Amino acid sequence: DIQMTQSPSSLSASVGDRVTITCRASQSVDDYLSWYRQKPGKAPELLIYSISSLQSGVPSRFSGSGSGTDFTLTISSLQPEDFATYYCHQGYNTPQTFGQGTKVEVK
Amino acid sequence: QVQLVQSGPQVKKPGASVKVSCKTSGYIFSDFYLHWVRQAPGQGLEWMGVISPTGGTTTYTQKFQGRVTVTRDTSTSTVDMELSSLRSEDTAVYFCAREIFGSGSFDYWGQGTQVTVSS
Repeated sequence: DIQMTQSPSSLSASVGDRVTITCRASQSVDDYLSWYRQKPGKAPELLIYSISSLQSGVPSRFSGSGSGTDFTLTISSLQPEDFATYYCHQGYNTPQTFGQGTKVEVK
Repeated sequence: QVQLVQSGPQVKKPGASVKVSCKTSGYIFSDFYLHWVRQAPGQGLEWMGVISPTGGTTTYTQKFQGRVTVTRDTSTSTVDMELSSLRSEDTAVYFCAREIFGSGSFDYWGQGTQVTVSS
């Protein structure tokens, strides 16, 4: 199984901050890497797919980058609705796997 | 608009089975793979399996092999996930999710179904 390791596990930030979350895969996942935001009690929402493609309707403050095994999600200016948990996900092979999550909290 | 609407919460005893339904609408059912993902209380996301809506081919994670069955009904555009031999560790919210064709990413999700396993 491909292990997905996110860092940090949690972070504290303020509205307007630039936030960066990293995800490392235990082997290459090609470009089958996506990012999700999950608010409490809700289903995850797709933010980024294929490493850097912005999902339709997602604000441009979200961006993704990386290749092979190392990936980054950046929020350029954190908004109140962005305090949530973020997951990376590889759909390269089965079993598909998620990172353990990064919780973004209010500073 | 695309919608994935799941069946309601269920409480089951250990050893029983549970079936969760995911009714889709707003798109061509046969064009997209459907996945199941679960989330235990306070935990992360765990992929369970996937079904091809055309031929009904399934792939499951080894962890659930032999206990999970995913089926689809093309006449109602519905996908069902049945998990048997339930144990307390199966208490979780179960989500269905649609895969963007060929990307391995999930663009639409069901609202989630709480399954509680308790004696």
